[in-house]
Amino acid sequence: DAGVIQSPRHEVTEMGQEVTLRCKPISGHNSLFWYRQTMMRGLELLIYFNNNVPIDDSGMPEDRFSAKMPNASFSTLKIQPSEPRDSAVYFCASTPGTVRGYTFGSGTRLTVV
Amino acid sequence: AQSVTQLDSHVSVSEGTPVLLRCNYSSSYSPSLFWYVQHPNKGLQLLLKYTSAATLVKGINGFEAEFKKSETSFHLTKPSAHMSDAAEYFCVVSKRNNNDMRFGAGTRLTVKP
Repeated sequence: DAGVIQSPRHEVTEMGQEVTLRCKPISGHNSLFWYRQTMMRGLELLIYFNNNVPIDDSGMPEDRFSAKMPNASFSTLKIQPSEPRDSAVYFCASTPGTVRGYTFGSGTRLTVV
Repeated sequence: AQSVTQLDSHVSVSEGTPVLLRCNYSSSYSPSLFWYVQHPNKGLQLLLKYTSAATLVKGINGFEAEFKKSETSFHLTKPSAHMSDAAEYFCVVSKRNNNDMRFGAGTRLTVKP
């Protein structure tokens, strides 16, 4: 089991550019979550999917953020256009069921300059 | 609605001494409770979980936590701290069978030699 795989590990981009973060959940996990972590705000849930369907996107900060899950093994989080305040570590997590806890990926550290 | 409060933002102990990280929860329903650990520049790892069985829960690396409904607490303990325990610890609450997990602000554990 390779765990939850996120790519890239680090991303540095210029303000205004499009950024795409990728996540491969653990096979068989039917729920996937995107979190953002910053010093100021801690861990924030951005959006989560059940069986590839977005269930709650109330945490997505602005329309610049969008997420998709085209199939059970892949999800993307896109920021367009990116801004310096989007700089954070973005985590993806998956679970077969909440009572079993989440498995987190190693995160993508995004820096927007 | 549910939430958790981690009572200490930073705890410092000496190697070999006990660790106590405090967490109080608020939930309108019977909760599931979790502790996660995050080492520097790493993702979050599940330490232990309470989901309605035994109130004393044992986790990895010698950690344990006790669910006390009367005190609405789920404190994390370890009899003897190790240098490798230095990390950020997150208490998490969710409604059972629900993907709405709420993270605490985190407690940074420092272990002195």
